[in-house]
Amino acid sequence: IQMTQTTSSLSASLGDRVTISCRASQDISNYLNWYQQKPDGTVKLLIYSTSRLHSGVPSRFSGSGSGTNYSLTISNLEQEDIATYFCQQGNTLPWTFGGGTKLEIK
Amino acid sequence: EVQLQQSGAELVRSGASVKLSCTTSGFNIKDYYIHWVKQRPEQGLEWIGWIDPENGDTEYDPKFQGKATMTADTSSNTAYLQFSSLTSEDTAVYYCNACYSTYKFAYWGQGTLVTVSA
Repeated sequence: IQMTQTTSSLSASLGDRVTISCRASQDISNYLNWYQQKPDGTVKLLIYSTSRLHSGVPSRFSGSGSGTNYSLTISNLEQEDIATYFCQQGNTLPWTFGGGTKLEIK
Repeated sequence: EVQLQQSGAELVRSGASVKLSCTTSGFNIKDYYIHWVKQRPEQGLEWIGWIDPENGDTEYDPKFQGKATMTADTSSNTAYLQFSSLTSEDTAVYYCNACYSTYKFAYWGQGTLVTVSA
């Protein structure tokens, strides 16, 4: 399954609401996860199964979607949210990732 | 606290093999799947496969079958990834991660940089 993040980079201001999109080449039945990779390479799980918040993740992160189209929303953007965000499908082996969306501060 | 500590950076010759380690703490490694993920410089993430340390069962992305070998030692809470016949295409950061389910990657190591020289 091909995962496509059409926006490779995104610029926003602190306090903004930001939405990052991800599209699957076929229905992945909500088995969609989001990860955050900081500039130092640290990777964290943010959202799993489309909309479930992983333990310890701030509530300003949320996810939605169905079928082939999914999105990650960050409300009230903070400096620490500067990172690259990847989606990943867990419906059909082999698991695959989107190409990533790099979020920068305007 | 769940932690995964990966081994240090490797510089290896083309054609050689390398074995990376991932030492876990804060959970029983038998209760989790250990996954490995590859990231080439300035590129995205590629899933290599998972291992169930309790019984040694593995699942690989077909493109890494025969290239990568995952093992685990439950007595030392450590998982291993061995790559053989290295080429420049294998220069990357390799991450291990752990999860109680197979389809997501809950906890990540810091990554190990492998550089393959000619």
